Amino acid sequence: KAGVTQTPRYLIKTRGQQVTLSCSPISGHRSVSWYQQTPGQGLQFLFEYFSETQRNKGNFPGRFSGRQFSNSRSEMNVSTLELGDSALYLCASSFHMNTEAFFGQGTRLTVV
Amino acid sequence: GESVGLHLPTLSVQEGDNSIINCAYSNSASDYFIWYKQESGKGPQFIIDIRSNMDKRQGQRVTVLLNKTVKHLSLQIAATQPGDSAVYFCAENYGGSQGNLIFGKGTKLSVKP
Repeated sequence: KAGVTQTPRYLIKTRGQQVTLSCSPISGHRSVSWYQQTPGQGLQFLFEYFSETQRNKGNFPGRFSGRQFSNSRSEMNVSTLELGDSALYLCASSFHMNTEAFFGQGTRLTVV
Repeated sequence: GESVGLHLPTLSVQEGDNSIINCAYSNSASDYFIWYKQESGKGPQFIIDIRSNMDKRQGQRVTVLLNKTVKHLSLQIAATQPGDSAVYFCAENYGGSQGNLIFGKGTKLSVKP
């Protein structure tokens, strides 16, 4: 059974650009969450999707957005990139919102 | 706001010894706690969880203890092995959704052969 797949693994963007990250959950999982991991702030929750609806949202500016498709795959978008957006972005999937979450390897975003 | 913290940022142990990683949480409403292990270049991996109606839960070589009186969580790893070297995070949640977790800063465990 394939795990959570995140693409791309690495990304370099320039300040002011926008970026889209993709997450394919484990087959059968319908809940997808996104986290930002930085050395200074650690792991911080971005948002959670279930059945194509955003169920929970963390304390991030509106530049951070996401969506989930009917096949449960999810994307997150960051617009007007800032240097401080450089981080490892992690996606986690679970069968349902209250079952064990499995993480992908993350997308390493560097903003220059 | 509410936060989850760790008492020790780094821990170095000898192979074969037992390891104890501690975590403090501040949200008394939290009812679910998880320990994750993160190896370099990988995403967090679920180790063990515990709900607030329990004070102890055991897995394979790992035990989680929950002390709600002092809002303290610990992870005990028995017979620590080099493969246990990683960063360990505690996470808390309330409301049941495992996708909305509050993570601690992490403790780096280093196992000396």
